[in-house]
Amino acid sequence: GAVVSQHPSWVICKSGTSVKIECRSLDFQATTMFWYRQFPKQSLMLMATSNEGSKATYEQGVEKDKFLINHASLTLSTLTVTSAHPEDSSFYICSARDDSHEQFFGPGTRLTVL
Amino acid sequence: LAKTTQPISMDSYEGQEVNITCSHNNIATNDYITWYQQFPSQGPRFIIQGYKTKVTNEVASLFIPADRKSSTLSLPRVSLSDTAVYYCLVGDGGSQGNLIFGKGTKLSVKP
Repeated sequence: GAVVSQHPSWVICKSGTSVKIECRSLDFQATTMFWYRQFPKQSLMLMATSNEGSKATYEQGVEKDKFLINHASLTLSTLTVTSAHPEDSSFYICSARDDSHEQFFGPGTRLTVL
Repeated sequence: LAKTTQPISMDSYEGQEVNITCSHNNIATNDYITWYQQFPSQGPRFIIQGYKTKVTNEVASLFIPADRKSSTLSLPRVSLSDTAVYYCLVGDGGSQGNLIFGKGTKLSVKP
């Protein structure tokens, strides 16, 4: 199957700093990428949908100014958590959709905000 | 998007067949049913997808009755490494295409 990578796999930062997470589709072009957040012992929660070259669509309750999403190319989307706080500590997972509409998930990024 | 309901948890022993049923009463005509497996601190992994009747691949089978209001994931002869959370998702993969995850079923396989 298609491969989606995320970088970094884990990150620890101080409160108030910004953190950027990259999501790449390695062997296919992804017109649409999705960002999810997962807290311990909970399910994945969709944060936003991003289409290449256009603004992301955020789910209700997700602050677009805090979680900046850029999808500048067909193989790369980035999520920037701005002014991170401890409550933003979570497991962030991206997925990418190919032309067949199959969705492939990345390995996730563990964010810990001190 | 159709809502799904699954058992919160299931227990099994190595070598047994495990069947996890998912209810999706308001599934739409264009919706497919997809199952994912997730291990702790990893992204979900695709297991199987189907539209109706039965689908089988090298790891699982998916049974879908004629009314498509439910589906059953069947894992033959589970091993300890099958301990994970299993998610049933319903969607058309179309222009929206975003997958909404339910609570999933935590499967625990014991020796």
